[in-house]
Amino acid sequence: DTAVSQTPKYLVTQMGNDKSIKCEQNLGHDTMYWYKQDSKKFLKIMFSYNNKELIINETVPNRFSPKSPDKAHLNLHINSLELGDSAVYFCASSQVSYTGELFFGEGSRLTVL
Amino acid sequence: DQQVKQNSPSLSVQEGRISILNCDYTNSMFDYFLWYKKYPAEGPTFLISISSIKDKNEDGRFTVFLNKSAKHLSLHIVPSQPGDSAVYFCAAPSGGGADGLTFGKGTHLIIQP
Repeated sequence: DTAVSQTPKYLVTQMGNDKSIKCEQNLGHDTMYWYKQDSKKFLKIMFSYNNKELIINETVPNRFSPKSPDKAHLNLHINSLELGDSAVYFCASSQVSYTGELFFGEGSRLTVL
Repeated sequence: DQQVKQNSPSLSVQEGRISILNCDYTNSMFDYFLWYKKYPAEGPTFLISISSIKDKNEDGRFTVFLNKSAKHLSLHIVPSQPGDSAVYFCAAPSGGGADGLTFGKGTHLIIQP
């Protein structure tokens, strides 16, 4: 039973399209995140939500809109996709704690053509 | 500005020998560090951590050493096994709470038979 699951795992789409990536966690955690791993392999935080409330919104274009219907789900919607959006997007969850340990999903590889 | 740096993109080690992965940090407020391991097409998974009140933490074949004065930590794997071939990320809590982790760029460890 996967702890943090995200779908789809692979997504190939054309520039200008709108797409969504879904994430669900069954760990009972109260915080969820979206991270982006770009071509340079950096893992950078995009958003964090705590109990459905947006906590962190890094300098991400407003074409990216996270939505948290409940604390077990955090979806990422991307409008007007651009070539530079091609990356692997990781969902993660955690309990708010001193150690900050994150549990990651398998990643969703987005390719924009 | 990278607060967590892993300056070796890759490292090749013979099976059975010791693997040493290095990490430097610039933020003196960091007081807890984590290592994550990532296989291709999978999400990062937690490996081992260390608090700044310690200078060493050991878990089986994995040991992490922390040198606070040098702002340096290292992960030792001994003996190295083929299954250890992966990308290893060093990370630190970004600020606590729901701020997530700040990651290094990763080191690709290759264990040669």
